[in-house]
Amino acid sequence: AQSVTQLDSQVPVFEEAPVELRCNYSSSVSVYLFWYVQYPNQGLQLLLKYLSGSTLVKGINGFEAEFNKSQTSFHLRKPSVHISDTAEYFCAVSDPEGAQKLVFGQGTRLTINP
Amino acid sequence: ETGVTQSPTHLIKTRGQQVTLRCSSQSGHNTVSWYQQALGQGPQFIFQYYREEENGRGNFPPRFSGLQFPNYSSELNVNALELDDSALYLCASSLWQGTNTGELFFGEGSRLTVL
Repeated sequence: AQSVTQLDSQVPVFEEAPVELRCNYSSSVSVYLFWYVQYPNQGLQLLLKYLSGSTLVKGINGFEAEFNKSQTSFHLRKPSVHISDTAEYFCAVSDPEGAQKLVFGQGTRLTINP
Repeated sequence: ETGVTQSPTHLIKTRGQQVTLRCSSQSGHNTVSWYQQALGQGPQFIFQYYREEENGRGNFPPRFSGLQFPNYSSELNVNALELDDSALYLCASSLWQGTNTGELFFGEGSRLTVL
């Protein structure tokens, strides 16, 4: 079985500061990894994904994440955040050999302060 | 926008009632999945449909059921509603071509409140 742990339920940062949202996963098989963002009263939007290849993945809105197999982590980073980045962020995994089913973490609420 | 549309956006039901939620998949997609997102939680997989058949199910009781239609739209039905069924229900569509590309496209959800 797969599971995802997002280590911080809330992360407050100041505008233009860097941010890292942490994600660890557990799986007995290889995984695909994803970060989704959910703005208030909206559905989920894909930020970035790791399927294979380079462990550093770049996504939309200036976000990037690094897959670390030895530490089973997939932390999300942005060098300088904006007020518009205020949202809930979800890390998720899926089994490359299975159906397109995602297992999500509990989410991290990112709050940007001016 | 993803092209996945859900209806209704909000609804209120009472315990014991039944509810049907609807989803229109993104054009060209052949697979639809449903997720339940309780307040303050991450989405949880309910089930997935491919070619009008259930193709995987999460840890949800049989009173959660679904349908996929030939045009790839879908319904989620929940019978005998309980208070804990209050949640945001998310539909996601994707294109399955024999391998898992992993990417799902989500609608904005149907928020169900059970009183």
